[in-house]
Amino acid sequence: AQTVTQSQPEMSVQEAETVTLSCTYDTSENNYYLFWYKQPPSRQMILVIRQEAYKQQNATENRFSVNFQKAAKSFSLKISDSQLGDTAMYFCAFMDYNNNDMRFGAGTRLTVKP
Amino acid sequence: DSGVTQTPKHLITATGQRVTLRCSPRSGDLSVYWYQQSLDQGLQFLIQYYNGEERAKGNILERFSAQQFPDLHSELNLSSLELGDSALYFCASSAPGRERGGGRYNEQFFGPGTRLTVL
Repeated sequence: AQTVTQSQPEMSVQEAETVTLSCTYDTSENNYYLFWYKQPPSRQMILVIRQEAYKQQNATENRFSVNFQKAAKSFSLKISDSQLGDTAMYFCAFMDYNNNDMRFGAGTRLTVKP
Repeated sequence: DSGVTQTPKHLITATGQRVTLRCSPRSGDLSVYWYQQSLDQGLQFLIQYYNGEERAKGNILERFSAQQFPDLHSELNLSSLELGDSALYFCASSAPGRERGGGRYNEQFFGPGTRLTVL
């Protein structure tokens, strides 16, 4: 079974600085997707970025980018120029090609300080 | 606004009771997924329906059941409730066209969730 591990329960960063959130996963599959979701205090789940395992190029979305290391089964999220609105829980998630359900990590609570 | 609606927003009930959570997917989406998020934890996949049929099952208790109706809305039924069932229950929907094993990805859009409190 696939598992997703986020080893940092809480992190903080100063506004305008850069922060990296870690995620590792375990799977025997070769084809899959990885995601980072943001959950602000409103509890809404918001897709931040996704990565397809067969693509070697790391995904980027504005201030958000990932470092995908397939061999190491690592998928970290880098947030540049952190903003107060980035304060939220961040969840790493995995989905393989054969199943539609997503497996989530336990989350990292990120606080951006002014 | 994701286009996925869930009712009610909040539900408070007692142990041993039964409740029904409702989800309406985005227009045109055929798949509905149910997830459970206990306090400060990640989401746990419960079950998926596709066009009225059960497609995948996760860590769903026998006390829980779900169905998807011809109009594609879905209901999650929770019975014999226990204190540990208190959680946020999310519904998500995705568009048709993703074939199992085909690798085509359709984003899951999440509803706002239903917060269930069992006293």
